[in-house]
Amino acid sequence: GNSVTQMKGPVTLSEEAFLTINCTYTATGYPSLFWYVQYPGEGLQLLLKATKADDKGSNKGFEATYRKETTSFHLEKGSVQVSDSAVYFCALTVNNYGQNFVFGPGTRLSVLP
Amino acid sequence: EAGVVQSPRYKIIEKKQPVAFWCNPISGHNTLYWYRQNLGQGPELLIRYENEEAVDDSQLPKDRFSAERLKGVDSTLKIQPAELGDSAVYLCASSALNGAVRSYEQYFGPGTRLTVT
Repeated sequence: GNSVTQMKGPVTLSEEAFLTINCTYTATGYPSLFWYVQYPGEGLQLLLKATKADDKGSNKGFEATYRKETTSFHLEKGSVQVSDSAVYFCALTVNNYGQNFVFGPGTRLSVLP
Repeated sequence: EAGVVQSPRYKIIEKKQPVAFWCNPISGHNTLYWYRQNLGQGPELLIRYENEEAVDDSQLPKDRFSAERLKGVDSTLKIQPAELGDSAVYLCASSALNGAVRSYEQYFGPGTRLTVT
């Protein structure tokens, strides 16, 4: 089956530190990969995506590269801010006609001033 | 453009009582999803609609959960009777096929936080 594994949190960093949140996946077929972010009290928001191998998704200073050889999609940001404190979810979907998403358990990030 | 709307935002009920959640997706989005998110976990799909048809309800506990999307727009998810283990956040999301790009972006509502006592 399809599954997503994320590093366990919480991750606590100081402002301007470098961030990496690991994500690996198993999938039958050729998945599209996503990172979603959930701020306190809000619904999930799409942060970035990649639909084929070696694609790099980027948004708001965050980046992730689709690595088929290592089945990974690690999230990185060079300099985090307090406002980045949230829960980050890695997700995949393998679709031809289906659109079902599989989410990882989430990684909570806390950025301290 | 208005986002996905859900109501209520919070609901507290006693076990064995019924409860219903409502979702209005983004205009023009033909696909609608209901997810359950337990504390500290990622969302898990309960049911997916394509227009008014439930195309995947394999994870929906059909003995107590039901859902409908009669006109292919808004949707209602019902639990009857509720159990203590149903306490969670119930998320609604919608999406539309994005042309030739093989990705289906989902737009989430804020969720309904259900507490069963």
